[in-house]
Order: sequence, then C-alpha cells, then structure tokens
Amino acid sequence: DTGVSQDPRHKITKRGQNVTFRCDPISEHNRLYWYRQTLGQGPEFLTYFQNEAQLEKSRLLSDRFSAERPKGSFSTLEIQRTEQGDSAMYLCASSPVDTQYFGPGTRLTVL
Amino acid sequence: SQQGEEDPQALSIQEGENATMNCSYKTSINNLQWYRQNSGRGLVHLILIRSNEREKHSGRLRVTLDTSKKSSSLLITASRAADTASYFCATDQFGNEKLTFGTGTRLTIIP
Repeated sequence: DTGVSQDPRHKITKRGQNVTFRCDPISEHNRLYWYRQTLGQGPEFLTYFQNEAQLEKSRLLSDRFSAERPKGSFSTLEIQRTEQGDSAMYLCASSPVDTQYFGPGTRLTVL
Repeated sequence: SQQGEEDPQALSIQEGENATMNCSYKTSINNLQWYRQNSGRGLVHLILIRSNEREKHSGRLRVTLDTSKKSSSLLITASRAADTASYFCATDQFGNEKLTFGTGTRLTIIP
C-alpha cells in the first residue's frame, strides 16, 4: 500500500505536554493538508502546504499549533501545551491536483 | 465551520436495497467529493464531480450534482454489509483547495 501514512496512530498525553505527529504523503503529491475531526463531526481544515510552502492556515490553528514540511516531503504537526479540547482525530491528506487522499489519522487523547 | 449538511443523519436499510444520501452546501463550488469513513478510521475517496458535471458513475455508486440548488446526492445500489460506514461530502472552491466537509450520514446495512 503506497498511500498516505501517519504516525503514531494513537497518542495519549497529559494536559500541558507537547505532542508531534508525522505524515508521509503519497510520493509524487506536492500538496499536503492537515484536518482535525472531533466525534460525530466532519473533518475541519487546519493547514495546507504546496511543496514546502505553507499556503494557508485556519483560525482553528492557534499559536500552540505549528506545522512544517521542511523538504516538501513529509510533514509534522506539533501541538504545544496540550489542552483537553485538543482531543480529536488528526487527519493528513495529500493531492496531486484535485482529489485528496487521506491517511488513517492520529487519534489524540489529552487527559 | 461546516460547509453543508448531509441528509439523513442516519440511515438503516436491508442488504441488497439501494441507499440514497443527500448533501447541501452554501457557497459556489469548484468540485464536490464524496468520502467513506469506517468507524475510527481515515477517509476513503469515493468519487469527485466537477461543478460543470451533472452526473457521474463509479461501480455501484452514482453521484448527481445540482449547482442551482447547491445540492448533491450519492446513490449506492445493491448495498452490502461492507458499505456500513459514515459518508461525507466535501467541497472546494475556485482558487481555494481546502475541503469543507458536511456533517455526514451514518449508513447501516442490515444483513
């Protein structure tokens, strides 16, 4: 399977800790997206990269959140000083043009 | 914020029957995509329909788009137990590639 991969799949952390998630897109895709999904809701857009450039950030992405895609390949999403409200599924997607292909997600639980 | 809504929120049908779910959205779109999500997992891309298209087929799936009514429908024919999942529509706009998702329809196929 050469799809989008995410690591870790599950993360449990205590409030106030920092966490970092990784996304490896499909290799030839230059567009990479992060979304957040809470229980019973559809995913909500967080941020978008074209190659290594971060082109758009949602208002949902507070200053505790930072995302990088240093070489235009994999991406990381870091959450500093986690809060219980950060508990959600974090989804990564990549795209060559229009269709976005999603990874399995990282489920974050903040205790 | 969610772009639109799926209707119904939940649907239960017998295996072999057809399932129809609808999606409404609020603003002009470039593309509309349908995704499937099994419980607690990532999203699987089903089909993309462009704003200048009215109908599209893929296997047992049929999607229609009515831009005048800002609505789309997804028909799954001859349903199978494996079709049990949540289904989301997602839209993007011209010049803005982020996806905006609806709230989803939870489909249950009864064997």
